[in-house]
Amino acid sequence: KAGVTQTPRYLIKTRGQQVTLSCSPISGHRSVSWYQQTPGQGLQFLFEYFSETQRNKGNFPGRFSGRQFSNSRSEMNVSTLELGDSALYLCASSFGDSSYNSPLHFGNGTRLTVT
Amino acid sequence: AQSVAQPEDQVNVAEGNPLTVKCTYSVSGNPYLFWYVQYPNRGLQFLLKYITGDNLVKGSYGFEAEFNKSQTSFHLKKPSALVSDSALYFCAVRDYNQGGKLIFGQGTELSVKP
Repeated sequence: KAGVTQTPRYLIKTRGQQVTLSCSPISGHRSVSWYQQTPGQGLQFLFEYFSETQRNKGNFPGRFSGRQFSNSRSEMNVSTLELGDSALYLCASSFGDSSYNSPLHFGNGTRLTVT
Repeated sequence: AQSVAQPEDQVNVAEGNPLTVKCTYSVSGNPYLFWYVQYPNRGLQFLLKYITGDNLVKGSYGFEAEFNKSQTSFHLKKPSALVSDSALYFCAVRDYNQGGKLIFGQGTELSVKP
C-alpha cells in the first residue's frame, strides 16, 4: 500500500511569493492534516480536512490556507511568504476523522526555504 | 488545553541497554496518547497508542509504553536498544477540547552508541 506522498520534497522561494504544496493520502483515507515543523516551535498544527471540509484549524495567519479535493488529495497554500515560514511542512492522513482515534500516517514532508 | 511534555531534550544509551523516553501529559477527561518516531529528513512514523485498557501498550519495532494515570505519564521503553533506534521521538495527545487535533511534545533525541 503506497504511503502518504508529498510534493515537492524541496522548495526555495523568495519573500513575498506564494507557494502551493501537495499531499496525496493513503488510499482509502479521508482525513488529511497539515503540520509545520521548525526547530524552535516544534510541530504546530495547521489544519485538518475530512471529506473536503475543514474540520479544524490551528493558530496560523490567514496567509495559510488549504483545501481537499473529492479524491481526498489536499493542497496547502501560503501567500506573501515571510522568512519565518521556512520549515518542514508535513501532511498526514488517517482513515476517519479525529474522533476515530486512528493514528496519523505522515508523508516525508516538503522542506520550504524562504530567502 | 491538553498538553504533553517531554522533559529530556536528549537521551543517550549504550547499545543493548534498556531505554526510556519520558512523557507526561495534562488532559481533562480521558487521555488518548501516541508515540511517533522521526528519522532524519523523513516524516513521523507511528509507534503505538493508548486509548483504553491495559496500561502496558506494545508497539512497533519492539517498543512499548507504560500508561500511569496517577503520575500522568506515558513513558516509551525498549528492553534492549539498537543503534538504529537513534532518532527523534515525539509524544502526542488528542485534544478533544480543540476539535481532536493531535498535540505534540517538543521531542526527545535518542542517541544509541555501540
